[in-house]
Amino acid sequence: GNSVTQMEGPVTLSEEAFLTINCTYTATGYPSLFWYVQYPGEGLQLLLKATKADDKGSNKGFEATYRKETTSFHLEKGSVQVSDSAVYFCALSDPLGTSYGKLTFGQGTILTVHP
Amino acid sequence: NAGVTQTPKFRILKIGQSMTLQCAQDMNHNYMYWYRQDPGMGLKLIYYSVGAGITDKGEVPNGYNVSRSTTEDFPLRLELAAPSQTSVYFCASSYFPGQGGYGYTFGSGTRLTVV
Repeated sequence: GNSVTQMEGPVTLSEEAFLTINCTYTATGYPSLFWYVQYPGEGLQLLLKATKADDKGSNKGFEATYRKETTSFHLEKGSVQVSDSAVYFCALSDPLGTSYGKLTFGQGTILTVHP
Repeated sequence: NAGVTQTPKFRILKIGQSMTLQCAQDMNHNYMYWYRQDPGMGLKLIYYSVGAGITDKGEVPNGYNVSRSTTEDFPLRLELAAPSQTSVYFCASSYFPGQGGYGYTFGSGTRLTVV
């Protein structure tokens, strides 16, 4: 079946540091890939997405590139801020189009940014 | 614009009690989902619905039931609560699933503790 694996957390960075959160997936075919963010006490929000190989999703200074050859979708940001402290989830949707939009999530990575 | 509204936000149940978690969306989305979020485990799909009157099981349906009498509402029923159901529950909806790449809209969650 489908699966998503994220790097172990938590990740602690100083403000303005470079961020990478690794995400790899297992799926048959070409899934759509997503990064969601969950701020403390809130639900998940879509951060960015990519629907085909070599697509780059970007939003709020974050970006991730769909790499079919390495089955990866790593999240990056050049300069993090304290306000980026949150839990980040990588997810995929079934590539066969028959799963009615069901998402498979990674376990989440906690990011804490210190001033 | 309310989006996805979940009630209650917090609840403590005793073992063996029952309750209904409410979920309502005002975006006319056909697809709705219930997930549970356990620490370090990511989100697991409990039930989903592709339209009024149509529901189906996800990965972890045992101990839960759902109904979908209207497009707007998708309540989750817990019968005979058990400590293993202590979790944070998220409801989500989407307009068009699968490879279209549309992400979900999540509610803010219900934190349930069974003691």
